[in-house]
Amino acid sequence: AQTVTQSQPEMSVQEAETVTLSCTYDTSESDYYLFWYKQPPSRQMILVIRQEAYKQQNATENRFSVNFQKAAKSFSLKISDSQLGDAAMYFCAFYTGTASKLTFGTGTRLQVTL
Amino acid sequence: NAGVTQTPKFQVLKTGQSMTLQCAQDMNHNSMYWYRQDPGMGLRLIYYSASEGTTDKGEVPNGYNVSRLNKREFSLRLESAAPSQTSVYFCASSGLMDNEQFFGPGTRLTVL
Repeated sequence: AQTVTQSQPEMSVQEAETVTLSCTYDTSESDYYLFWYKQPPSRQMILVIRQEAYKQQNATENRFSVNFQKAAKSFSLKISDSQLGDAAMYFCAFYTGTASKLTFGTGTRLQVTL
Repeated sequence: NAGVTQTPKFQVLKTGQSMTLQCAQDMNHNSMYWYRQDPGMGLRLIYYSASEGTTDKGEVPNGYNVSRLNKREFSLRLESAAPSQTSVYFCASSGLMDNEQFFGPGTRLTVL
């Protein structure tokens, strides 16, 4: 069974600074996908970034980037130039075709301060 | 495109009452999912449907039933609601790529 662990229940960052959210996972699969989802107070789940396990290059989407360490089973999210609108819950999620479902971590609540 | 829609947005039930949560998607996706979100536990899969006419249990199926009415619609039914089913429920769908899921706005359900 796959598991996803987010060890930081809460994080805080100052506006314009950089913050890194941690995620580790456990799987015996070799082909899988990793995701970061953002959930603002509106409750809507928004996909932030996706990483295919077969790709060595780390994914980047504007101010969001990941550090994917396949051997260490680590998938951290870096948010650069943090903005007030980045304040939200962030969930790391894992997908494999054999299970056909997403497995979520417990989330990290990110606070952005002035 | 509306994406994934869910009704209702909020619902309060008494223990033992039944209700159906509705979900529809207009993206022509094959797969649809129902999750529940509880504080400190992330999202957990209740049931999913890989294609029209098929449904499978997820991580926490007890107390729920589902129906994949057609390709667009996937409903979740609580036959006899219990306080432990107080939660936020999300419907999601995914297409041929399967790995990217699109979520509805959620339903906050309270069972008294």
